[in-house]
Amino acid sequence: AQRVTQPEKLLSVFKGAPVELKCNYSYSGSPELFWYVQYSRQRLQLLLRHISRESIKGFTADLNKGETSFHLKKPFAQEEDSAMYYCALSGSYGGATNKLIFGTGTLLAVQP
Amino acid sequence: KAGVTQTPRYLIKTRGQQVTLSCSPISGHRSVSWYQQTPGQGLQFLFEYFSETQRNKGNFPGRFSGRQFSNSRSEMNVSTLELGDSALYLCASSPSGGGFDEQFFGPGTRLTVL
Repeated sequence: AQRVTQPEKLLSVFKGAPVELKCNYSYSGSPELFWYVQYSRQRLQLLLRHISRESIKGFTADLNKGETSFHLKKPFAQEEDSAMYYCALSGSYGGATNKLIFGTGTLLAVQP
Repeated sequence: KAGVTQTPRYLIKTRGQQVTLSCSPISGHRSVSWYQQTPGQGLQFLFEYFSETQRNKGNFPGRFSGRQFSNSRSEMNVSTLELGDSALYLCASSPSGGGFDEQFFGPGTRLTVL
């Protein structure tokens, strides 16, 4: 079964501390992994995706196929990073599709 | 470029009624997907349309249906509403049909079923 697991509902850190948001997935194939973010009173938006291998706003994520994980990391958290973070998976399902399977999300709270 | 728009933003219906939600994708985007967001189940995929054809469907009952028009605008319909259909319905558009695209989300339609 295709599944994305985010074990932490809430992660609270202090400004300047490192951040790691965990994401594990289950998919029988080669999925594409994404992190989406929703800031307060804003729309859900893409933060980064594995295929781009970019660092956005200081965040990075490495796909570990052996551990089926795609953890999101940032070395020094900022207060403006406080938001809801969703890990998502997209697979081929036998044809092109933009279907996303989302995790339940982790609320990141960065304390001053 | 204008973002994805959804109408109406809020809707209150009673059980047994039906409802139609509308989504206008970003100009030039041909793929439109719909998601249901609830506190209990999180974000769940409903269906995706590309070039007026349903390309993928989630695990929802047949009461949930959708369509896409030639201008890529999309509607979803829920018939015989149940209390459990109360949710935020999100629409997302993507530029191409190749899959694995970045999806651009609308603000959502908040549906309350009484």
